[in-house]
Amino acid sequence: NAGVTQTPKFRVLKTGQSMTLLCAQDMNHEYMYWYRQDPGMGLRLIHYSVGEGTTAKGEVPDGYNVSRLKKQNFLLGLESAAPSQTSVYFCASSRSGQGEAFFGQGTRLTVV
Amino acid sequence: AQSVTQLGSHVSVSEGALVLLRCNYSSSVPPYLFWYVQYPNQGLQLLLKYTTGATLVKGINGFEAEFKKSETSFHLTKPSAHMSDAAEYFCAVSEMDSNYQLIWGAGTKLIIKP
Repeated sequence: NAGVTQTPKFRVLKTGQSMTLLCAQDMNHEYMYWYRQDPGMGLRLIHYSVGEGTTAKGEVPDGYNVSRLKKQNFLLGLESAAPSQTSVYFCASSRSGQGEAFFGQGTRLTVV
Repeated sequence: AQSVTQLGSHVSVSEGALVLLRCNYSSSVPPYLFWYVQYPNQGLQLLLKYTTGATLVKGINGFEAEFKKSETSFHLTKPSAHMSDAAEYFCAVSEMDSNYQLIWGAGTKLIIKP
């Protein structure tokens, strides 16, 4: 039972490069989320999705794009990476918006 | 807008002592309340949650939390700390007005002294 799987786990990018983070869940959850975690700031919501084909902006969406073409996958894209996007990124999913969220192990991204 | 305040970015207790991690929220209506734990280099996992019903909620690893509406608080406690409890703890709330998005506190790092 894999739960929520994020790939890659680590990545170093140069400023201006692009990349896509993949999140996959096998629990048939409707809701999926992308967060970033920075020291002393807790978790900040980047984008989220309430179902296949839907996406919505969270608290800090600038510089990121997302897609949810399949229910089990939620992709986070950085079109032109900036050092300010150095962070740990977490994906999460939940059956409904009111319940427990299940988290992936995180992706540590460094932009130099 | 809803906000969550965790008092103390770091809390240090001796092994065997009481653990108390504080969480206050700003909602005027009873929200759903959660505590999550994050061990080093791992994702977050649910410790306990309050949705409706009994205000004292028991979670995993001997932790419990009490929802106090009058104080808008949801403090996390454990009677006797263990070295394995060293981790970062996050309080979160969700409510209908925010489309049930989880709103997170900044986290409290629990340090256990031998």
